[in-house]
This record gives sequence, structure tokens and C-alpha cells, in this order.
Amino acid sequence: KAGVTQTPRYLIKTRGQQVTLSCSPISGHRSVSWYQQTPGQGLQFLFEYFSETQRNKGNFPGRFSGRQFSNSRSEMNVSTLELGDSALYLCASSLFRPSSAGANVLTFGAGSRLTVL
Amino acid sequence: QQPVQSPQAVILREGEDAVINCSSSKALYSVHWYRQKHGEAPVFLMILLKGGEQKGHEKISASFNEKKQQSSLYLTASQLSYSGTYFCGTEMMTGSARQLTFGSGTQLTVLP
Repeated sequence: KAGVTQTPRYLIKTRGQQVTLSCSPISGHRSVSWYQQTPGQGLQFLFEYFSETQRNKGNFPGRFSGRQFSNSRSEMNVSTLELGDSALYLCASSLFRPSSAGANVLTFGAGSRLTVL
Repeated sequence: QQPVQSPQAVILREGEDAVINCSSSKALYSVHWYRQKHGEAPVFLMILLKGGEQKGHEKISASFNEKKQQSSLYLTASQLSYSGTYFCGTEMMTGSARQLTFGSGTQLTVLP
């Protein structure tokens, strides 16, 4: 069974540019969450999608956006890149329905490492 | 709101025990524990649902005190393979959905 696939794995951009990151969840998983990881800050929640709907959004500026497609694949976009956006962006998928009972166990992808120069 | 983890880092010798704590100021639905090895994705260890139950995974166990909104991860007789960064994730209701928020992590190093 294939895991969570994120592309690209590494990318370098310059300030002011925009970037799109892609995430393919585990087959059958309909919930996709995005996290930003920087040294010392842990995993900062960006947003969560379920059935093409954004269910939750973290405390990030509007430059960060995302979407989910009908096949559960998700993309996140960062516009007008800043130096501080350099980070590892992790996508995680889950079988879970965000508003129902049960365990919401995340399976993470390997991440997309973004460097902004 | 991000849970608070302590300590930030711990260094052990193989065979020693360690405890990692996680606390939240909000009412929690569940607490998750994940481990991330250097250069790899975080991997799920265990989940504790409200009710105070204790879970185990090999020589790693955890508890959840619902009254205090605190969880502790216990690593017994540490092995070299336990090295990595441990994250607790606290799950709470946000509007009509549940949201999982992670702490800043505890870096665990096990030396031979």
C-alpha cells in the first residue's frame, strides 16, 4: 500500500515568488492536513481538508492557501514568498471524519523542503 | 493553542528511562504521540482518548490525565533506536471539527 506522497521533495525559490506543493494521500484516506515544520517551532498546523472542504485553518497569513480535489489529492500554495517561509512542509492523511468519533491517526509524507533566498 | 512539552531535550544512556510531558490549557478530546527520526517523517506511536487510559507500545507507554489535561510518555530501558524527536499532539474541538495541534517537540538522544 503506497504511503503519502509529496512533491516536489526539495525546491528553491526567491522572495516574492509563489510555490505550489502537492500531496497524494493514502488510498481511501479523505482527510488531508498540512503542517509547517521549522527548527524549534515543532509542527505548526496550516489547514485541514475533508471531502474538498477546508475544515480547519491555522494561524497563518492569507498568503498560505490550499485546496483538495475530488480524488482527495491536495495542494497548498504560498504566494509572495518571504525568507521566513523556508521550512519543511508536511502533509498528513487520515481515514478520519473530522466531526465524528474515533481515532484521528495521521500518516505523514516525507515532506517538501522549501528554501527561500 | 499549542501544547507545552517538557523537557526540550534529554540525553540518556542505553538502558535508562525517560519521561516526556505534555500539557494543554484546553479541554482535550485525545492526545497523540509521534516520533520523528532525523530526516524522516513523523511516525505515529500511540493515541490516548479521554478517560485516563494508558497505552503501550513495546517499552514505550503513555498516560493521559483528563482532569489536568496532561499526558506523559514513558520510555523504559531506552534503546539506541529510540533516538529522535517526540511530538505530542493534542486534539480538541474547533467549531464543528476536531483539530490536532502539536507541541514543539522533545529531542531524545540515546547514547551507547
